Amino acid sequence: DARVTQTPRHKVTEMGQEVTMRCQPILGHNTVFWYRQTMMQGLELLAYFRNRAPLDDSGMPKDRFSAEMPDATLATLKIQPSEPRDSAVYFCASGLVRGTSTDTQYFGPGTRLTVL
Amino acid sequence: QKEVEQNSGPLSVPEGAIASLNCTYSDRGSQSFFWYRQYSGKSPELIMFIYSNGDKEDGRFTAQLNKASQYVSLLIRDSQPSDSATYLCAVIGRNTGFQKLVFGTGTRLLVSP
Repeated sequence: DARVTQTPRHKVTEMGQEVTMRCQPILGHNTVFWYRQTMMQGLELLAYFRNRAPLDDSGMPKDRFSAEMPDATLATLKIQPSEPRDSAVYFCASGLVRGTSTDTQYFGPGTRLTVL
Repeated sequence: QKEVEQNSGPLSVPEGAIASLNCTYSDRGSQSFFWYRQYSGKSPELIMFIYSNGDKEDGRFTAQLNKASQYVSLLIRDSQPSDSATYLCAVIGRNTGFQKLVFGTGTRLLVSP
């Protein structure tokens, strides 16, 4: 049963600390997405990768957020320094894109981040 | 105008009734339409997708697409309390180069026993 995995599931940290979230996409998927979900804003796309290359990170605060995909089985999202307003659930999703045809995205369980 | 709009609800229906969830989108070039269900504290899970005008049925769920009117809906027949969740509409459109899902903010559905 292929699924997206994310670690950690929960993270509580203090303002100013670095936070790293990890995602393992479904094997064979070539596109990875990072989303943030809050009650106020709903589901927001932060960044996404195709074949490990970053395609769009316009949804991310550039000064403190960074996303990378060091290999096909690992995507990371870092926040440094973290702030209380970063408290949210961060989802990773993966999918298969072929040409202009975009397949369904499958979501991981999310990382619930609380910044005190 | 938001790219994808949904009524936040809650939409309350009694058990056994038909729940009708609606979504409108602004990008006329949109091609693919998805409905996700999200239980509280869980991640979104795909229920259905639809690409062509008309109806698409899967069990108790029917997705309806009308590209001319730019709306997509989800009907849930014989609603069950276990259907209580937030339903997210998502669209892939020309505005994003057919690359990204754009989500609505979701409609909360409550099915009472």
